[in-house]
Amino acid sequence: GQNIDQPTEMTATEGAIVQINCTYQTSGFNGLFWYQQHAGEAPTFLSYNVLDGLEEKGRFSSFLSRSKGYSYLLLKELQMKDSASYLCAVRESAGKSTFGDGTTLTVKP
Amino acid sequence: DAGITQSPRHKVTETGTPVTLRCHQTENHRYMYWYRQDPGHGLRLIHYSYGVKDTDKGEVSDGYSVSRSKTEDFLLTLESATSSQTSVYFCATGQGEYNEQFFGPGTRLTVL
Repeated sequence: GQNIDQPTEMTATEGAIVQINCTYQTSGFNGLFWYQQHAGEAPTFLSYNVLDGLEEKGRFSSFLSRSKGYSYLLLKELQMKDSASYLCAVRESAGKSTFGDGTTLTVKP
Repeated sequence: DAGITQSPRHKVTETGTPVTLRCHQTENHRYMYWYRQDPGHGLRLIHYSYGVKDTDKGEVSDGYSVSRSKTEDFLLTLESATSSQTSVYFCATGQGEYNEQFFGPGTRLTVL
């Protein structure tokens, strides 16, 4: 099984940078996903890391350290529309992933 | 987008009745999933499918069954609904280099 931990809530200011952490303890690991979910909507895919290091995609970056069982999602130049829940998910096998409980980010003006 | 639809989008039912939720995809993705999401919780996997007639249990499969007779359709059945099954149910498909998942709009189920 998998144990995935994320902070429950975070607050940040528009224009700032925020880092959302995810730690995991797993019996198997084939990669880590980040998804974004706005209130009342379905999750959407943001990023995937399978090797150690930083993956950058516009204002969003995701980092992975497999030896530490640790990942983070970095959001730069925060906008009000970034207020959402961010879900970390560990890919256990080719077809199956386990999700953390998510971090609710509130961006304030 | 993966072209995923769920029906119904909202349903209210009574304890003890059977309920079937339908997920339909138009992208010919191999993998399909059913999750439930409760307040303060992430997505918990109920069942998933890795091909027609090939399914496996997730972490919260008790009280649920699934069927996949065609690539495009994945059905979730609550044999005898209970109030603890009140939740938002998301269907997802998976395909591609990373097998990232694409989610349907969700079904809000209330069991009275």
